[in-house]
Amino acid sequence: AQRVTQPEKLLSVFKGAPVELKCNYSYSGSPELFWYVQYSRQRLQLLLRHISRESIKGFTADLNKGETSFHLKKPFAQEEDSAMYYCAGETSGSRLTFGEGTQLTVNP
Amino acid sequence: EPEVTQTPSHQVTQMGQEVILRCVPISNHLYFYWYRQILGQKVEFLVSFYNNEISEKSEIFDDQFSVERPDGSNFTLKIRSTKLEDSAMYFCATQPGGTNTEAFFGQGTRLTVV
Repeated sequence: AQRVTQPEKLLSVFKGAPVELKCNYSYSGSPELFWYVQYSRQRLQLLLRHISRESIKGFTADLNKGETSFHLKKPFAQEEDSAMYYCAGETSGSRLTFGEGTQLTVNP
Repeated sequence: EPEVTQTPSHQVTQMGQEVILRCVPISNHLYFYWYRQILGQKVEFLVSFYNNEISEKSEIFDDQFSVERPDGSNFTLKIRSTKLEDSAMYFCATQPGGTNTEAFFGQGTRLTVV
């Protein structure tokens, strides 16, 4: 069965520090992988997807098939990055399988 | 910017009652989904809907649940006889196309069954 795992429920860093949110997946075939973010009192929204290989708000994520990982990284965290981050994989049927989520807090 | 809209934002209901959660998709979107998140747990897929029929459903989506798009605009999730364990945040999501297009989420409906 498809599975997405985020091992850290909580992650706290200081402003300006690098941040890495971990995501591992277990999928048959090649999944499409995404990071969604939910800022306080806002809706879930797409942050980035692996297929586009883009950087959004300074975040990048690289798909590592050998390690079955899709970690989200940012070299210098900002206070406004504080939010709940969800890694998600998509099957051919377009349903999303979410990880547990990581609550990132960036301290001043 | 177009948004997915869900109503109500919070629904409290007694166990055994029927509830209908409503979603207004973004107008040119073709794929519709319901997800739920029980407090402290993962966001879980319930059902997907395309071309006026269910395209996929999870094991959670049993006979107590149904979806429809009765008037071509609203997309509804009905729970026939609510149980305490149905208490959760329910999210509607819509996509313009299929695989690997962005899913746009509503703000959620918090369902509390007492």
